[in-house]
Amino acid sequence: GAVVSQHPSRVICKSGTSVKIECRSLDFQATTMFWYRQFPKKSLMLMATSNEGSKATYEQGVEKDKFLINHASLTLSTLTVTSAHPEDSSFYICSATDRVPDTQYFGPGTRLTVL
Amino acid sequence: GENVEQHPSTLSVQEGDSAVIKCTYSDSASNYFPWYKQELGKRPQLIIDIRSNVGEKKDQRIAVTLNKTAKHFSLHITETQPEDSAVYFCAAIRGEYGNKLVFGAGTILRVKS
Repeated sequence: GAVVSQHPSRVICKSGTSVKIECRSLDFQATTMFWYRQFPKKSLMLMATSNEGSKATYEQGVEKDKFLINHASLTLSTLTVTSAHPEDSSFYICSATDRVPDTQYFGPGTRLTVL
Repeated sequence: GENVEQHPSTLSVQEGDSAVIKCTYSDSASNYFPWYKQELGKRPQLIIDIRSNVGEKKDQRIAVTLNKTAKHFSLHITETQPEDSAVYFCAAIRGEYGNKLVFGAGTILRVKS
């Protein structure tokens, strides 16, 4: 149980394009989902907290207009990187939880490369 | 807000030896402390967690201890095996913000056979 999927696993795009990443909880309803960014050999940096049916809460320094988050249902949250640039290249990981506070279950991550 | 410090940043042990990773946290309201193992390019996997009402928890070769007074918690891996090699992250929940995890910087564990 408690499986989180993420799609795509890997994406390469040109600078200036937008990329959408999906995060799904497969066997539970996720009241809250989180989006993290991880640079090589670094820890996970929380970008935003997403609650179903409400606006995401962004961490300080994260541009909400650049990283659009939608949490339309209890099993799906999406992160759209708009007008991507090479510095947006990173490993993006989502996680989901069904209780507060409780274990966060992580997705497999999406490797974004912006050329 | 919460700040979690993790030591050491890298740890090399001989197969069969024990490994200990330590974390300290700053927010006394934090009440949930998970440990994650992450292999290269993979997702973090929860390996053990502890809540603030418990001082120690063990699961086979893995144990976690919590000292609320000193605000530190540690991961203990006994009889290490090569497959234990990975990056380990500790984390703490900032109590006043609900369930937002704050991660330590990570420890690269290498088990030499």
